[in-house]
Amino acid sequence: EPEVTQTPSHQVTQMGQEVILRCVPISNHLYFYWYRQILGQKVEFLVSFYNNEISEKSEIFDDQFSVERPDGSNFTLKIRSTKLEDSAMYFCASSGLREGRTDTQYFGPGTRLTVL
Amino acid sequence: QKEVEQDPGPLSVPEGAIVSLNCTYSNSAFQYFMWYRQYSRKGPELLMYTYSSGNKEDGRFTAQVDKSSKYISLFIRDSQPSDSATYLCAMSERAGGTSYGKLTFGQGTILTVHP
Repeated sequence: EPEVTQTPSHQVTQMGQEVILRCVPISNHLYFYWYRQILGQKVEFLVSFYNNEISEKSEIFDDQFSVERPDGSNFTLKIRSTKLEDSAMYFCASSGLREGRTDTQYFGPGTRLTVL
Repeated sequence: QKEVEQDPGPLSVPEGAIVSLNCTYSNSAFQYFMWYRQYSRKGPELLMYTYSSGNKEDGRFTAQVDKSSKYISLFIRDSQPSDSATYLCAMSERAGGTSYGKLTFGQGTILTVHP
């Protein structure tokens, strides 16, 4: 069964460093997402990406964050200058075998980001 | 008022019990309703998906949506220890226009089914 994969599973970084989190969405899906979950808190939407551009983003997704689909398979989240409060699980998700079908989103296993 | 509210529990039941999990919401634009299961330190796994009001059954799981009351439920029959996990409700608006499927999650309910 197709699945979303994410690497690395755990990333430790120093405050102020740049990190790139990588995801391989399900093949042929059209919509891609990043969510995060701070320990003990809700899963929160960060950004959605469709047709090679950001389609929606939350207040959390400020200028320190960026997303890219550098090729036909990878989808990345970059945090330019990490802060302590960026420590969280980051989940990638994908959906939509055809346009408009954004409802059933499939999540990857997550990357645990620890900022020291 | 929070957009989606879910009692975090924890909820502890004996094996074989019927479990009822619930969420309320305030955004009347929500059209799609999902239940995800999340094991510790893993990604959410899609369990059930419903569109608009009504019931949907899949094996031991039944999802209910009552849009007039802005209330959704997940029932688990004959619960098993392997059902022990955190259950997340999630909702989204209809795709199109300004919505590209952003999911809004509840807090999650921690369920333990003991043998």
